[in-house]
Amino acid sequence: EPEVTQTPSHQVTQMGQEVILRCVPISNHLYFYWYRQILGQKVEFLVSFYNNEISEKSEIFDDQFSVERPDGSNFTLKIRSTKLEDSAMYFCASSEQGSETQYFGPGTRLLVL
Amino acid sequence: AQSVTQLGSHVSVSEGALVLLRCNYSSSVPPYLFWYVQYPNQGLQLLLKYTTGATLVKGINGFEAEFKKSETSFHLTKPSAHMSDAAEYFCAVSWNSGNTPLVFGKGTRLSVIA
Repeated sequence: EPEVTQTPSHQVTQMGQEVILRCVPISNHLYFYWYRQILGQKVEFLVSFYNNEISEKSEIFDDQFSVERPDGSNFTLKIRSTKLEDSAMYFCASSEQGSETQYFGPGTRLLVL
Repeated sequence: AQSVTQLGSHVSVSEGALVLLRCNYSSSVPPYLFWYVQYPNQGLQLLLKYTTGATLVKGINGFEAEFKKSETSFHLTKPSAHMSDAAEYFCAVSWNSGNTPLVFGKGTRLSVIA
């Protein structure tokens, strides 16, 4: 069964460093999403992406964040200068065009020290 | 702002007992409703969904949920809990059709006691 994959599973970084989180969405899906879950809190929407453009973003998704589809399979989330409060589990998801159902990857746990 | 409320951050049941995890959402506008399960050290797995049609929805692993518009609820049930059901359960809602962001509840951790 096709699934969303994410790498790395864990990442530790120093405050102020740049990180790139990678995702491979399900191959025939056209919409991609990033969500995050700070420990003990809700899963929160960050951004959605379609046709090489951001289609929607939340207030959390400020100038420190960017997304990219660098090739035909990967979808990345970049955090330019990490802060302590960026420590969270980051989930990638994808969906077919016109579908409300999103399929999630296993997540990347980011720890900023 | 639209919101999703899961009553009870932690629910504990005995093996073989009924599982009931509650989810309420804030708007009377008919939404699209989902339950996801997260097993330890794993990602979010879709358990079941309601998008249209029959209000009682069956999912994987014997779970089901019923959409009750009048109560703005989508509670998750399973007649008989199994040890393997121990996990975190998330209710999620989308208020628009198509590819729109999901709004999640805080999650309910289910423990199953032998």
